[in-house]
Amino acid sequence: DGGITQSPKYLFRKEGQNVTLSCEQNLNHDAMYWYRQDPGQGLRLIYYSQIVNDFQKGDIAEGYSVSREKKESFPLTVTSAQKNPTAFYLCASSMSPVGGTDTQYFGPGTRLTVL
Amino acid sequence: AQSVTQPDIHITVSEGASLELRCNYSYGATPYLFWYVQSPGQGLQLLLKYFSGDTLVQGIKGFEAEFKRSQSSFNLRKPSVHWSDAAEYFCAVGAPGGFKTIFGAGTRLFVKA
Repeated sequence: DGGITQSPKYLFRKEGQNVTLSCEQNLNHDAMYWYRQDPGQGLRLIYYSQIVNDFQKGDIAEGYSVSREKKESFPLTVTSAQKNPTAFYLCASSMSPVGGTDTQYFGPGTRLTVL
Repeated sequence: AQSVTQPDIHITVSEGASLELRCNYSYGATPYLFWYVQSPGQGLQLLLKYFSGDTLVQGIKGFEAEFKRSQSSFNLRKPSVHWSDAAEYFCAVGAPGGFKTIFGAGTRLFVKA
């Protein structure tokens, strides 16, 4: 089955540690996205990538980093510089590199809790 | 810049009753509009989308939405709600040539027996 996988489903981190969230897609989509979801705030864009080896900051990129070395993979690192990292993180992909008007396909999410 | 407003944070309806979730957008031209649904602890799934043409759009799970340019609205409707429809619903807007989709804050739907 084609789709997007995210791992782990739950992640606990101590303050001061960096953690990496995995996102893999087998849909052959060009664009990939990372969103942060907090209660009552909807989805906020962290980073997006239109093609391999290219990515752009979204609205709340501070304290996060990404890479796009393969078309299928778009891992997100939450660094110790992120002041309030506890949230639900969603990865998505869309077929077109210009994804603003394209349907986005979402993974099941990773819930990160900082202890 | 485009924006989306979902005025209702949560709505409760009885099973079998009709449903309407409100969405207002801000964009200078005809936008691309979407409704997504999210079950608890899960990712989002597309219900329907509007690009052009017929202003009444049919989606999955018996949902429909109507684009009203004069009111800058794209409300989601369902004639008869089932308990399995309890979830959070997000309206979203995209601009032609743009790289981002803007999501509303969401409306949580509760269904009572």
